[in-house]
Amino acid sequence: ELKVEQNPLFLSMQEGKNYTIYCNYSTTSDRLYWYRQDPGKSLESLFVLLSNGAVKQEGRLMASLDTKARLSTLHITAAVHDLSATYFCAVELGQKVTFGTGTKLQVIP
Amino acid sequence: EPEVTQTPSHQVTQMGQEVILRCVPISNHLYFYWYRQILGQKVEFLVSFYNNEISEKSEIFDDQFSVERPDGSNFTLKIRSTKLEDSAMYFCASSDVAGGINEQFFGPGTRLTVL
Repeated sequence: ELKVEQNPLFLSMQEGKNYTIYCNYSTTSDRLYWYRQDPGKSLESLFVLLSNGAVKQEGRLMASLDTKARLSTLHITAAVHDLSATYFCAVELGQKVTFGTGTKLQVIP
Repeated sequence: EPEVTQTPSHQVTQMGQEVILRCVPISNHLYFYWYRQILGQKVEFLVSFYNNEISEKSEIFDDQFSVERPDGSNFTLKIRSTKLEDSAMYFCASSDVAGGINEQFFGPGTRLTVL
């Protein structure tokens, strides 16, 4: 059974600081996703990572994938309050998607 | 911009009743999914659907659950006899696997409350 673990579960950081969220998974996968979820809202797709060494950036967020280590990271650069949300990684194998536990990020002004 | 829509936004039902949750995926998408999220917890995969049949399903998706694409536009999730523990947010998603990406677009969700 595919297991996906994220850490940390909670992250409180000051504006302007950098931090990284980690996503480990237990077996090989086809694709890895990062999503953002605001309270009471749906999931917004941030990144889709397909291959080893893939790196994607959008604004202050950068995601990378190391398939050999079964690890993806979501790096936050110079955090701003608007980035406060819960971030999920999700791993797809076949047509089944397994989500991580989520990281609740709070950016403090 | 095309989007996935879901109805109703909130459904309240009595334990043991049947519910049908409805989704309209993005029109040119071919892959459809249902997920659920119990309040404050992670998102759980229920089922994927392609070419009018189930591709994958999770352990949660037991005989009480079924999916259907009745008319080429709607994609429904039926729970035959609801239990208290079925209370959750249910999200529908669709994708078209363009270029192997399979980016899934999520609907706004239906909050199901079982009393």
